[in-house]
Amino acid sequence: EAGVAQSPRYKIIEKRQSVAFWCNPISGHATLYWYQQILGQGPKLLIQFQNNGVVDDSQLPKDRFSAERLKGVDSTLKIQPAKLEDSAVYLCASSSLWGGGSHEQFFGPGTRLTVL
Amino acid sequence: GESVGLHLPTLSVQEGDNSIINCAYSNSASDYFIWYKQESGKGPQFIIDIRSNMDKRQGQRVTVLLNKTVKHLSLQIAATQPGDSAVYFCAEGQNTPLVFGKGTRLSVIA
Repeated sequence: EAGVAQSPRYKIIEKRQSVAFWCNPISGHATLYWYQQILGQGPKLLIQFQNNGVVDDSQLPKDRFSAERLKGVDSTLKIQPAKLEDSAVYLCASSSLWGGGSHEQFFGPGTRLTVL
Repeated sequence: GESVGLHLPTLSVQEGDNSIINCAYSNSASDYFIWYKQESGKGPQFIIDIRSNMDKRQGQRVTVLLNKTVKHLSLQIAATQPGDSAVYFCAEGQNTPLVFGKGTRLSVIA
């Protein structure tokens, strides 16, 4: 089966600019996640969707970050305005089950964001 | 707050030897643990998981051991190969968001 797709793979912007990332999960996966991975650290969950509803966005900096998953398939993550500390890899993952059973998440290749 | 961490940031092993990567967790209520492998420029890849009602689980060349008494998790890789070189993360979760540790970089010496 096709994996999780993300674009772009790399993005360089200046601080205070806006940026958007796109994710297409594995077909049929109801749960979609966005993670932020700062260099040398493990991924940190930003937001979790179940279909097109938000399950957990407690760690999303809502003053500058936003995410949506229209129609419960693709998702976009936006940062506006970007700060230097937003430089990281943004990972999208999807899974077929939530709240029981296998919790295996399938990750995309990520988008590496550099904020100058 | 609760956290998941790793004992060592780097590990170098000779090709063909066995590798052991350790992880400590602090949330005694954690009931599900996962090991991920992340190669350079790629997203994490699921390796193996284990539930808290088990002490050991084996996969292909990998074994995960869970010691709930000391809240310790380990990943054993048998006959380590150059393709095993990567950063390995343990993570805890099930009905909560996955919490990842910082990772251990495994380098395989040919």
